Amino acid sequence: EVQLVESGGDLVQPGGSLRLSCAASGFTFSSYWMRWVRQAPGKGLESVANIGVDGGDKYYVASVKGRFTISRDNAKNSLYLQMNSLRAEDTAVYYCATANRGSSPQYWGQGTLVTVSS
Amino acid sequence: DVVMTQSPLSLPVTLGQPASISCRSSQSLVHGDGNTYLSWFQQRPGQSPRRLIYKVSYRDSGVPDRFSGSGSGTDFTLEISRVEADDVGVYYCAQAIHWPWTFGQGTKVEFK
Repeated sequence: EVQLVESGGDLVQPGGSLRLSCAASGFTFSSYWMRWVRQAPGKGLESVANIGVDGGDKYYVASVKGRFTISRDNAKNSLYLQMNSLRAEDTAVYYCATANRGSSPQYWGQGTLVTVSS
Repeated sequence: DVVMTQSPLSLPVTLGQPASISCRSSQSLVHGDGNTYLSWFQQRPGQSPRRLIYKVSYRDSGVPDRFSGSGSGTDFTLEISRVEADDVGVYYCAQAIHWPWTFGQGTKVEFK
């Protein structure tokens, strides 16, 4: 059974840091581009970052560039998002997902909630 | 960024009747490899998004054939031939050719 399980979401003060993790199982993690997508409360979906299969290619949405870092460990089948200098507008459910565009199945986790508030 | 514009944003539906959602992109979604990377996602209440359609018209495995996608260039449509009870939720179109990959605002499908 395919699973993507996010963890690390929490309540953090503005300016603080948080590291999200996503544990993958049931598919060949190292063969997939991966992504983080977020959804602010009651709002739509927003792409945050993508990472290539070996971690060499990384893309960030402008609003998080320089503050967030996406990474992966294929030996541990894990995806990460290091989030620094957090702002209130970063409050959202963060989903990890595969970033494949074609016919292979696309997998999503259940999400982890990040709340930035004093 | 590529802007994805959906209409309507709210779609009251009747069980067993057809429904249609439109999506327009601000730039062409045709990739140099010849593919058009336009997808449709369903997000049921309290659940994670689920991809229904990829490359405009291909259904993901397990997606009922009452869902169909069509379109080209910058104009796309998701159609539900006969709405069923578990089709309630928010539907998003999304492009995966220009970074950042962007989603439409979402169309909320609910029963009249």
